[in-house]
Amino acid sequence: NFMLTQPHSVSESPGKTVTISCTRSSGSIAGNYVQWYQQRPGRSPTTVIYDYNERPSGVPDRFSGSIDSSSNSASLTISGLRTEDEADYYCQSYDSGNQVFGGGTKLTVL
Amino acid sequence: QVQLQESGPGLVKPSETLSLTCAISGYSIRSGYYWGWIRQPPGKGLEWIASMYHSGSTYYSPSLRSRVTISVDTSKNQFSLNLTSVTAADSAVYYCARFQRMAPNMWGQGTMVTVSS
Repeated sequence: NFMLTQPHSVSESPGKTVTISCTRSSGSIAGNYVQWYQQRPGRSPTTVIYDYNERPSGVPDRFSGSIDSSSNSASLTISGLRTEDEADYYCQSYDSGNQVFGGGTKLTVL
Repeated sequence: QVQLQESGPGLVKPSETLSLTCAISGYSIRSGYYWGWIRQPPGKGLEWIASMYHSGSTYYSPSLRSRVTISVDTSKNQFSLNLTSVTAADSAVYYCARFQRMAPNMWGQGTMVTVSS
């Protein structure tokens, strides 16, 4: 089994850019797709990035995803931050049928 | 428009079995995708529980495998979760979800289940 480690929290000002990391403990980050989910308080999660860097329809291009094999990590970058982006963000991946979520990162836009 | 709706008791006694059902509307479960469950204890993160295909192929979380059963009822277009021998640690919001390539891409609204005597 593997783990996905995220920072507990990040904060940034409106209009700025923030990056949230997700580090895989074992196995290659490039071996299985990584997804990113946004969860606002009291709501179900929604997908903002799937397959490392693809955006579902309706998700603005301010959201982007990437991976770095050298650090075995994935990243979610949100540019032009808006107050509405304030939420919890979770990365997710899988291996041999086992699915794992990162612990989540609380994004504060202040 | 595809929708998922969880249903089941909101309160379960310790050592008993938690049973939830997810009704699917707007899509036939026979048409494809994996379907499964994810939970979130209050104030904590997401935990995948199990996924299955309508034909019976299943995947279970290693940490919950011994207590979990997921099943599909194609005639009712729904699927279910059974979690046995529950404790307070199983108190959580339980989400049903549709999965594509081992990743949820559609979620129900979630249902809170509390384990307490």
